[in-house]
Amino acid sequence: QLQESGSGLVTPSQTLSLTCGVSGASVSGAIFSWNWIRQQPGKGLEWLASISHRGDTSYNPSVKSRVTISVDKPKNQFSLRLQSVTAADTAVYYCTRAVPKWSHYFESWGQGALVTVSS
Amino acid sequence: SSELTQPPSVSVSPGQTATITCSSDALPKQYVHWYQQKPGQAPVVVMYKDNERPSGIPERFSGASSGTTATLTITGVQAEDEADYYCQSADSGGASPIFGVGTKVTVL
Repeated sequence: QLQESGSGLVTPSQTLSLTCGVSGASVSGAIFSWNWIRQQPGKGLEWLASISHRGDTSYNPSVKSRVTISVDKPKNQFSLRLQSVTAADTAVYYCTRAVPKWSHYFESWGQGALVTVSS
Repeated sequence: SSELTQPPSVSVSPGQTATITCSSDALPKQYVHWYQQKPGQAPVVVMYKDNERPSGIPERFSGASSGTTATLTITGVQAEDEADYYCQSADSGGASPIFGVGTKVTVL
């Protein structure tokens, strides 16, 4: 089970922060990677970031200069930070668990968190 | 970089067969997965590793992949199958996941 939490309203130029609580699996497990995907209103799915159990990170070039993904092993959760947000970052953000060796198969999804960027 | 090409829309009558294609030069080397998304809901896996159906997904859903094209087929479409369908794979090097733009399936 994956559950997103964080601020639903962010001011332009500020930082978006989301956390994904994980239950039923350990973020330290070697099989999975932990990912963030977003969906802008009326648009398709966009992968943003990934982190492995070793802490190796990978980012979509479209947001790479602004995004950070991290893992908190004691709390069994992972987080996303997106800096310098604009209205274009308004989206539903999903945290997901993936199987990297199967072409990053997103086998489990959170319910999604709507984040609105507005003053 | 690799891209996944899907038709924007497919229309089908109830009981007929819907076929959604997904094309990319990366597919000969990568698996394809398919996600169904209904309005206001998170995506749900309907097919993974080209042709593996998760438990709970009806048998009318099937998948195949050959060369640079993967296909999701819904045989005997039902009204509840109306949704957006996204294919997903990885770039040719396998480093990054990629999504198709999505196909809206309309049941007439």
